[in-house]
Amino acid sequence: EVQLVESGGGLVQPGGSLRLSCAASGFTFSSFWMHWVRQAPGKGLVCVSRINPDGTNTPYADSVKGRFTISRDNAKNTLYLQMNSLRAEDTAVYYCATVHSGSFHFDNWGQGTLVTVSS
Amino acid sequence: QSALTQPASVSGSPGQSITISCTGASSDVGSYKFVSWYQQHPGKAPKLMIFEVTRRPSGVSDRFSGSKSGNTASLTISGLQAEDEADYYCCSYAGGSTPYVFGTGTKVTVL
Repeated sequence: EVQLVESGGGLVQPGGSLRLSCAASGFTFSSFWMHWVRQAPGKGLVCVSRINPDGTNTPYADSVKGRFTISRDNAKNTLYLQMNSLRAEDTAVYYCATVHSGSFHFDNWGQGTLVTVSS
Repeated sequence: QSALTQPASVSGSPGQSITISCTGASSDVGSYKFVSWYQQHPGKAPKLMIFEVTRRPSGVSDRFSGSKSGNTASLTISGLQAEDEADYYCCSYAGGSTPYVFGTGTKVTVL
């Protein structure tokens, strides 16, 4: 059974940093693109970033470019999102999700971790 | 990329059918057969309900069906049940480096 478990969320002041983690199991983590998708309170889903299987391709949404860094450790089956220079508008639940090879939809999601940016 | 446009809310009585529209552009919905739909109950993660416009993952009720015409995709829920009350989001592949765009979301209410 595929499992994705996010952690690392919490309350942080504007300008601060957080690192989110997503522990994966039940599939061959090192073979798949991984994604971070966020949802601000009462709002819709927005893709933040994604990373290819070997970690060499890491595009970002314009809203987080230069502030967030996605990475992965295939030996630990873990996805990361380093978030720096956080702003109030980054407040959201952050989900990790998989898009399996050859498909174009998010077939597995974690439970999400809440990031709150506030003074 | 702009979010795909969905109605804010749709409602129906138990047993009725409802349809949620998802309007994009020729660069996303209109160009690809890769439209998916997600159901999200309050406080829960999204769940895949439809992929590649019309296909259902294993375990999803056949009361859920999808279609597409031009730049607009649709999700139909037939035989509406109380458990169908949730938010629904469409998503389209749009190519490029950040290729997935979601819809604005639709709250389905079962009267």
